[in-house]
Amino acid sequence: RKEVEQDPGPFNVPEGATVAFNCTYSNSASQSFFWYRQDCRKEPKLLMSVYSSGNEDGRFTAQLNRASQYISLLIRDSKLSDSATYLCVVVEAGGYNKLIFGAGTRLAVHP
Amino acid sequence: EADIYQTPRYLVIGTGKKITLECSQTMGHDKMYWYQQDPGMELHLIHYSYGVNSTEKGDLSSESTVSRIRTEHFPLTLESARPSHTSQYLCASSDFYLQPQETQYFGPGTRLLVL
Repeated sequence: RKEVEQDPGPFNVPEGATVAFNCTYSNSASQSFFWYRQDCRKEPKLLMSVYSSGNEDGRFTAQLNRASQYISLLIRDSKLSDSATYLCVVVEAGGYNKLIFGAGTRLAVHP
Repeated sequence: EADIYQTPRYLVIGTGKKITLECSQTMGHDKMYWYQQDPGMELHLIHYSYGVNSTEKGDLSSESTVSRIRTEHFPLTLESARPSHTSQYLCASSDFYLQPQETQYFGPGTRLLVL
């Protein structure tokens, strides 16, 4: 079983739609979580951290469910520019800042 | 924007050649990382460093080696390239003082094709 699992998609949605991605992780001791965005043939870039209480940044909302060991990303009012692969990232328990990446969920927003 | 650079961006090379992928960052970050990513797949950590003269192997076995003689420089070397080494190699850095602490900034990557 992979340590971080995501639905690869693609999610094809029209502009203005709301879309949600989930990600599950296997190590219950993990404490820190992130969503990174990776555009085609580009490097990953930090999108947002995921806090226990949930957090929002504009159209993006991230939530954590420790009991079920999953995190989610909600994108409201999708834009064409949101088209990318969204990587779920879990910081390995143990304090060495090692990131474990999911394979990503691909989002394609169309006009 | 992160100041982390990788060269070359693209490399096509024959089997058996020795190659060095360069990674430099100007942010003074103490931690640096090398990841390998195949198309559509997850990033796998192959090497990391917590500072000068510190290097560790990552989770994915790799025939490459790294060195960290200067804070800003973390080159990766393949002594004898093989077609199985064809992949994208991404360098990243982070620092204790960043918030959140585990944030990693990535370079643009090197796409390697071994014929």
